Amino acid sequence: EDKVVQSPLSLVVHEGDTVTLNCSYEVTNFRSLLWYKQEKKAPTFLFMLTSSGIEKKSGRLSSILDKKELSSILNITATQTGDSAIYLCAVAKTGNQFYFGTGTSLTVIP
Amino acid sequence: GAGVSQSPRYKVTKRGQDVTLRCDPISSHATLYWYQQALGQGPEFLTYFNYEAQPDKSGLPSDRFSAERPEGSISTLTIQRTEQRDSAMYRCASSQLAVSYEQYFGPGTRLTVT
Repeated sequence: EDKVVQSPLSLVVHEGDTVTLNCSYEVTNFRSLLWYKQEKKAPTFLFMLTSSGIEKKSGRLSSILDKKELSSILNITATQTGDSAIYLCAVAKTGNQFYFGTGTSLTVIP
Repeated sequence: GAGVSQSPRYKVTKRGQDVTLRCDPISSHATLYWYQQALGQGPEFLTYFNYEAQPDKSGLPSDRFSAERPEGSISTLTIQRTEQRDSAMYRCASSQLAVSYEQYFGPGTRLTVT
């Protein structure tokens, strides 16, 4: 059965801390892995990763995929209160199905 | 349009009634997805469309669920004979191309079945 597991389920940090969120997957016909940030409304796209070992970076956020370990990490450096959200990992299969994890709830306190 | 819109935003219905949810994707987007999201869970794939074609319905939980996109733009998700377990957030997302995988999500419809 295809599954995507995220850890930790929740995290509370202080502003300025660095956090690492984990996503592991067991999915047949893997195509790509995606990260989303979900605040009160809809998930918003952060990164799409298809190749192992190539880091994608956007400001204080970065992510990398390890196809050998079937996992990905999302790093956030110098966290801010605005980073508080649920971070969702999803795996896209060939054939266009998507499997989402349950998310990591990040709370950044001032 | 500027983004993906969904209506209604909230729907309360009685068990056994039929409901229809609507999604209006970004106008240039070929691909449209429907997801069900339970509280505290990630979105769960239901089905998707490439224009008006529906290549994959495998995520629809039962034959009470159906979706249409007759002209390749607006889509509807219909749940017949609703049950309490159908209560969830129903999210629609669109992407420019099936292969782009960058999905833009709508605000969702919160369905409550009493």
